[in-house]
Amino acid sequence: DVKVTQSSRYLVKRTGEKVFLECVQDMDHENMFWYRQDPGLGLRLIYFSYDVKMKEKGDIPEGYSVSREKKERFSLILESASTNQTSMYLCASSSDSGENQPQHFGDGTRLSIL
Amino acid sequence: AQKITQTQPGMFVQEKEAVTLDCTYDTSDPSYGLFWYKQPSSGEMIFLIYQGSYDQQNATEGRYSLNFQKARKSANLVISASQLGDSAMYFCAMSSNTGKLIFGQGTTLQVKP
Repeated sequence: DVKVTQSSRYLVKRTGEKVFLECVQDMDHENMFWYRQDPGLGLRLIYFSYDVKMKEKGDIPEGYSVSREKKERFSLILESASTNQTSMYLCASSSDSGENQPQHFGDGTRLSIL
Repeated sequence: AQKITQTQPGMFVQEKEAVTLDCTYDTSDPSYGLFWYKQPSSGEMIFLIYQGSYDQQNATEGRYSLNFQKARKSANLVISASQLGDSAMYFCAMSSNTGKLIFGQGTTLQVKP
């Protein structure tokens, strides 16, 4: 079974802090994704990566950056956290860029910015 | 632009009955995939079922089936013999050849005993 692990289930940080959300997958997947989920808005793509050291902006990249130094790890960085970044963050991975590959998700991180 | 629409914010179903969750989509891509995910209250997203745009048969996975009507651009999820553990939020999603997924807003399903 595919395992996608997010470093924290719950996280509380303060405005202005630099926040790191870590995601690791164990299936040698090429593709990795970061989403945020907000009530009534569904899941929105923040950033994604098709390979090591590659990154692409999603639909809502503002205020975020990412890092992919190793194939199995994809980090989401909030450079200076703000209260409007309080949300559920979900990491996912998939095996290639074809349209028939499901994305496999981690358990999510509920992030609160105070 | 691609779009997924789930028009039912919430649904109720009696235990052991079947339920249909609606999903319509819009795309100009000739090749695409349609997915359904389940999200329990604990938060994880669980992949349920996949339908390819060129698949002739409707996809089935155990109690889940996907009613794919390409001309109407609909991909409804049918859950047969509902169980209490089926209570969750359900998301319809569509992919293109880039591998990115576009999600609908979700439908919350409550199964009554």
